[in-house]
Amino acid sequence: NAGVTQTPKFQVLKTGQSMTLQCAQDMNHEYMSWYRQDPGMGLRLIHYSVGAGITDQGEVPNGYNVSRSTTEDFPLRLLSAAPSQTSVYFCASSSHRGFSYEQYFGPGTRLTVT
Amino acid sequence: ELKVEQNPLFLSMQEGKNYTIYCNYSTTSDRLYWYRQDPGKSLESLFVLLSNGAVKQEGRLMASLDTKARLSTLHITAAVHDLSATYFCAVDIRTGTASKLTFGTGTRLQVTL
Repeated sequence: NAGVTQTPKFQVLKTGQSMTLQCAQDMNHEYMSWYRQDPGMGLRLIHYSVGAGITDQGEVPNGYNVSRSTTEDFPLRLLSAAPSQTSVYFCASSSHRGFSYEQYFGPGTRLTVT
Repeated sequence: ELKVEQNPLFLSMQEGKNYTIYCNYSTTSDRLYWYRQDPGKSLESLFVLLSNGAVKQEGRLMASLDTKARLSTLHITAAVHDLSATYFCAVDIRTGTASKLTFGTGTRLQVTL
């Protein structure tokens, strides 16, 4: 299993540009989520999904859109990039069939907005 | 609003010494996770603590959970340089089928020779 994969690893955008961060998992997990990590801080939840077709907002959703058309994929769209969105973005997935709900994280995408 | 506080934020310790990292949280939860992050890397799951009184150990690390005190500890025994990393606790608040993690700010551990 590849686990959770993210592309790209690095990205530089200009203010106002849009882009999509890709996330895929091959573990058949129902639950997927996006976090951002800023220097000196823990991760903050942006959006999450409990299954295909179902998404909801996390703690810091403004400026981001998500959709979940398949179990495997959960892309994150930046609508109009701003310097405040410079961050490292992590995607995670977990199964809610067991009891631990342990989340597995992808390798991250480092985004710089100039 | 759930707040998760870790202390200390930075810890420099000598090899062979013991120390404890504390994770306090403000809302009832019976599920807490500890993660390790190396510089420039992703998060690696260390422990999943699912009930009051849970204690788990892996090598030189031991984690415990006291849900009544809303406190988790990560104890390091006889530290070695390889344990140098940033450690995060994360508290799970469930709403329906959703599981939302709120992270602490992390404890950067530096083990010196």
